[in-house]
Amino acid sequence: SAVISQKPSRDICQRGTSLTIQCQVDSQVTMMFWYRQQPGQSLTLIATANQGSEATYESGFVIDKFPISRPNLTFSTLTVSNMSPEDSSIYLCSVEKGAGSNTEAFFGQGTRLTVV
Amino acid sequence: LAKTTQPISMDSYEGQEVNITCSHNNIATNDYITWYQQFPSQGPRFIIQGYKTKVTNEVASLFIPADRKSSTLSLPRVSLSDTAVYYCLVGDGGATNKLIFGTGTLLAVQP
Repeated sequence: SAVISQKPSRDICQRGTSLTIQCQVDSQVTMMFWYRQQPGQSLTLIATANQGSEATYESGFVIDKFPISRPNLTFSTLTVSNMSPEDSSIYLCSVEKGAGSNTEAFFGQGTRLTVV
Repeated sequence: LAKTTQPISMDSYEGQEVNITCSHNNIATNDYITWYQQFPSQGPRFIIQGYKTKVTNEVASLFIPADRKSSTLSLPRVSLSDTAVYYCLVGDGGATNKLIFGTGTLLAVQP
C-alpha cells in the first residue's frame, strides 16, 4: 500500500498568483501522477512525473501553466501558475503499486483550490 | 487506452444488492478491469480488479463475461455509507500505465 500526504488541503488564492501543491509518499515510487477534478466532474490526468526527468503532460496541459518537480522518489510538487477562476478545482496526487493484475492506485486527499 | 461507459447515476435502498455495469468494447488483450470508489472530498479508493470470469473480495464482486467487453460491479446489501461515485477503468498495469477516468456512476443509497 501507499500513504500519500498532500499540502495544502485547501486554499483560496487571488487570480494572477501561483500555488505550489506538495505530495509526499511514504515509500519510493517510480511514477507519480497529478490529476485535476473540477466540481461535479471526473478526474482528468494532468501529467506523469518521473524522478530525474521532465514530466509528461497530457493534451491540454502545458509545463508553463503546471510546472512539476520530482526531486526524489517520494516527493513531487505541482504548481498552478498565473491562476484564474477557471483553475478552481481539486488537485490530486496519485501513485501506483504493483504490476499487471496486481496494480493498484493510491490517491492523496486532494487540494481544494478556489481562485477569486 | 480503452474507453469506458457507465450510467451517470443509480439509486438504491439500504439492504439491496446493487449492480453497476461498465462497457469497454475496445478492451485490449492485456488490459485488466479495475473499479474505484470516491467519496466526496476524498481521493478515489481501489475496490476490486479482475481479468475474466468472477472475482470476489470482502466488499464487492466483479463479473466479467467471456468477451470482456463489459463488466459488472456487484455490491451486496448496500448501506447509506456506500453512497459514492464508482469508476470503472481498464489498463494493462504496465510500466507506463496511467489511469484514465470515465464519467463514473453516482450511486445514491436511500434509507
